[in-house]
Amino acid sequence: SQKIEQNSEALNIQEGKTATLTCNYTNYSPAYLQWYRQDPGRGPVFLLLIRENEKEKRKERLKVTFDTTLKQSLFHITASQPADSATYLCALPPNSGGYQKVTFGTGTKLQVIP
Amino acid sequence: KAGVTQTPRYLIKTRGQQVTLSCSPISGHRSVSWYQQTPGQGLQFLFEYFSETQRNKGNFPGRFSGRQFSNSRSEMNVSTLELGDSALYLCASSSPRTGETDTQYFGPGTRLTVL
Repeated sequence: SQKIEQNSEALNIQEGKTATLTCNYTNYSPAYLQWYRQDPGRGPVFLLLIRENEKEKRKERLKVTFDTTLKQSLFHITASQPADSATYLCALPPNSGGYQKVTFGTGTKLQVIP
Repeated sequence: KAGVTQTPRYLIKTRGQQVTLSCSPISGHRSVSWYQQTPGQGLQFLFEYFSETQRNKGNFPGRFSGRQFSNSRSEMNVSTLELGDSALYLCASSSPRTGETDTQYFGPGTRLTVL
């Protein structure tokens, strides 16, 4: 069956360090993968999208990689700040070709410690 | 552009009652999706409406229903409420076209508490 796996345990990291979050998937062949940020009690906010033919994407302090062979995406936040503390979700469509509804992972909670 | 709006933001109901939640998408967005989020469960997809038609449906009982109006606004209804329906209900709009991505823009959510 199709599965998206994100580390359910919270990730605690010291301010200034690089945080790395993982999104693994099985039985998917997505054309792209997305990352969202969610603060408590609020709706997720779209951050980045990376397509299957892209290895890496950057936006300010954020970097996303996408390895379709390993079926994995890594989400990096460099020079992390306490304001980066939130839950980060990955989302992907089941297959490539045409419009497909994305499915969300359960998210990883990041805590940046001052 | 104004973002996705949801009303009400908070709601308290008792078991057996029904509830209707409302969502106004971003102007120009024709797709509206609904999600249920409970602690530890992540985002559970309820259904998606596009041009007033239900296009996708998650694995929820028939007590959960929705509709979309010609102006793309959407409502979600839950009948015969159960304690387990207590959750944050999120609405998201998008502007998907064939071959494009399903990027979701979420509203602030409606916090439903069932007593």
